[in-house]
Amino acid sequence: KQEVTQIPAALSVPEGENLVLNCSFTDSAIYNLQWFRQDPGKGLTSLLLIQSSQREQTSGRLNASLDKSSGRSTLYIAASQPGDSATYLCAVRQGSGNTPLVFGKGTRLSVIA
Amino acid sequence: DAGVIQSPRHEVTEMGQEVTLRCKPISGHNSLFWYRQTMMRGLELLIYFNNNVPIDDSGMPEDRFSAKMPNASFSTLKIQPSEPRDSAVYFCASSSRTVVNSPLHFGNGTRLTVT
Repeated sequence: KQEVTQIPAALSVPEGENLVLNCSFTDSAIYNLQWFRQDPGKGLTSLLLIQSSQREQTSGRLNASLDKSSGRSTLYIAASQPGDSATYLCAVRQGSGNTPLVFGKGTRLSVIA
Repeated sequence: DAGVIQSPRHEVTEMGQEVTLRCKPISGHNSLFWYRQTMMRGLELLIYFNNNVPIDDSGMPEDRFSAKMPNASFSTLKIQPSEPRDSAVYFCASSSRTVVNSPLHFGNGTRLTVT
C-alpha cells in the first residue's frame, strides 16, 4: 500500500529565505506526483504536476523535483513571502487514467515578515 | 469556470441525524472523488466515480456512509445515522479522465460537526 510522508510537519522561516519541502513515497511505481497548496478553511489548489518521466517542473518561484527511483520529491520555494504561508501537500497517483491520489499529511509553512 | 462547488460549507448536526453533502464537479470532468480530512489522518479517499459509475468505495468507513452520482453534474455523500467521530472536512474533487495527467481540482469542502 502506497504511503506518502512529508517532512517537516511545520516550518517557520523569515521572509526572503529560500526553502525546501520534502516528500517521500514508499512505492516508486507512480504515474505522476502533484503538489498542492491549502489555505485555512479552503480547498486544495494544484501547484505543480510532475509526470513519472519528468525530473522537475517550474512555475514562477516554485520548482518541484522528482526522483522516482528513490521515492522522493522536493518543492523549492525561492524568495519566500508572507503570502506563501499555507499548508503544502504532496500526492501521488499510482495508475494511469484517473485513479485516486494518495496524499501526505502536509507541511504547514509560516513565512514571517 | 466556477470550479467544483460543494454545499453546504458548514453543517452542524446532532448524533443520529442524517447528513447529506452535495457536490457539483467542473463541467466536462468525468471523474469525481470524495475525500475526508482530519488532523489525525490527513486526507483519505472515501469513494470515486468514473463516468458516474462508482469504481472504488473501499474507503467508505461503514455502511452508514453512502454516495451517489445520478448524473455527470451532481453527486451526494450521505451519512445516516451520523456520529461524533464523523466530524471532519469533506472534500469533493474532479478531473478529466480523457486528458492525460489532468490535475485534480478541489471544492472548498464541507466542515461537518456532529455533536
